[in-house]
Amino acid sequence: TQLLEQSPQFLSIQEGENLTVYCNSSSVFSSLQWYRQEPGEGPVLLVTVVTGGEVKKLKRLTFQFGDARKDSSLHITAAQPGDTGLYLCAGVRTNAGKSTFGDGTTLTVKP
Amino acid sequence: NAGVMQNPRHLVRRRGQEARLRCSPMKGHSHVYWYRQLPEEGLKFMVYLQKENIIDESGMPKERFSAEFPKEGPSILRIQQVVRGDSAAYFCASSPEGYTDTQYFGPGTRLTVL
Repeated sequence: TQLLEQSPQFLSIQEGENLTVYCNSSSVFSSLQWYRQEPGEGPVLLVTVVTGGEVKKLKRLTFQFGDARKDSSLHITAAQPGDTGLYLCAGVRTNAGKSTFGDGTTLTVKP
Repeated sequence: NAGVMQNPRHLVRRRGQEARLRCSPMKGHSHVYWYRQLPEEGLKFMVYLQKENIIDESGMPKERFSAEFPKEGPSILRIQQVVRGDSAAYFCASSPEGYTDTQYFGPGTRLTVL
């Protein structure tokens, strides 16, 4: 059973386009993280969201945590080739410690 | 401020040998987590440790795998009698006391079993 479902699995767009990646679950999480992973490297933490309805912005990236703390989205405005990578969402359940990861969205931004 | 360190970055073993993977958490972090990433798959939790204690090992295979985080020195993930199915990238993450939601990952160790 996959606790966190990410969609789409693959996304290929042209430079300058906007995109949204989704992370959905039937479980409630105390917090949710978004990571970006490049080939041969470890995941790099982009953001942590903890409050239902929370919106965080990181330059051209906008992260939203659902009101019920079961889902999240990552929106990228005016994508650039440097945004290419694997985007992973991960959820932590209350007092669990460990993170449950989605299978990721592989983003390719073509120049 | 050095990040999470893992070594070796690449490890090649023959079937039946032992693999030892090391992880030094970020300075001041007392929580360590190990994850495995198989080809074409996401990261799967293996084990969560604090100094000298295993907190959660629900993701660890029941046989051949063990982990420790001693009072002094790095955390060690040990795989005995490796098989080809153990080939994967193994990532370590650490978090500070009181902030276990925020985990910082190392660069990983890529294990190849011949």
